[in-house]
Amino acid sequence: DGGITQSPKYLFRKEGQNVTLSCEQNLNHDAMYWYRQDPGQGLRLIYYSQIVNDFQKGDIAEGYSVSREKKESFPLTVTSAQKNPTAFYLCASSIRGAGAANTGELFFGEGSRLTVL
Amino acid sequence: RKEVEQDPGPFNVPEGATVAFNCTYSNSASQSFFWYRQDCRKEPKLLMSVYSSGNEDGRFTAQLNRASQYISLLIRDSKLSDSATYLCVVNTGSASKIIFGSGTRLSIRP
Repeated sequence: DGGITQSPKYLFRKEGQNVTLSCEQNLNHDAMYWYRQDPGQGLRLIYYSQIVNDFQKGDIAEGYSVSREKKESFPLTVTSAQKNPTAFYLCASSIRGAGAANTGELFFGEGSRLTVL
Repeated sequence: RKEVEQDPGPFNVPEGATVAFNCTYSNSASQSFFWYRQDCRKEPKLLMSVYSSGNEDGRFTAQLNRASQYISLLIRDSKLSDSATYLCVVNTGSASKIIFGSGTRLSIRP
């Protein structure tokens, strides 16, 4: 079945450590996104990528880094520079292209819950 | 001003009631619009897309008003299972940037 897989589901990290969250999709989507969600709040965009080897900062990119070396993969690194990294991280993808095919609908992974101790 | 703003809720309504949510967006060039549903501690899932002509899916009706830059979601004959957070989502058309509202929490009571 096609979909998006995030791992790990739960992650604990000590302060000062970098951690990388995995996101893999087999939907053949061009665009991929990373969002952060804090309790009782909506989703905030961290980074997004429209195509391989290209990515753009979202609204809260500071303290995060990404790469897009393959179409299927868009890992997110939470660096020690991120001051408050405890949150629910959601990866998503969407079809990108002109015309009706680009509905903009997002397909989400099940999320990764990061806790900094 | 936020790019996408929603009624904050929470809405607490009895089973069988009709409830409506609104969402406004600031970018007049926005191209596509959606309502997502998110259950507690889960990922958001698409509820329905929103079209200019309005669209209906069972008990759910979505409307888009481009002139006033808002979208709405109407839920008729609400069920206990409708309890969730409803997220308004706007594709601004700018480099595939998709913006989420902060969500409206709905709680249906027996």
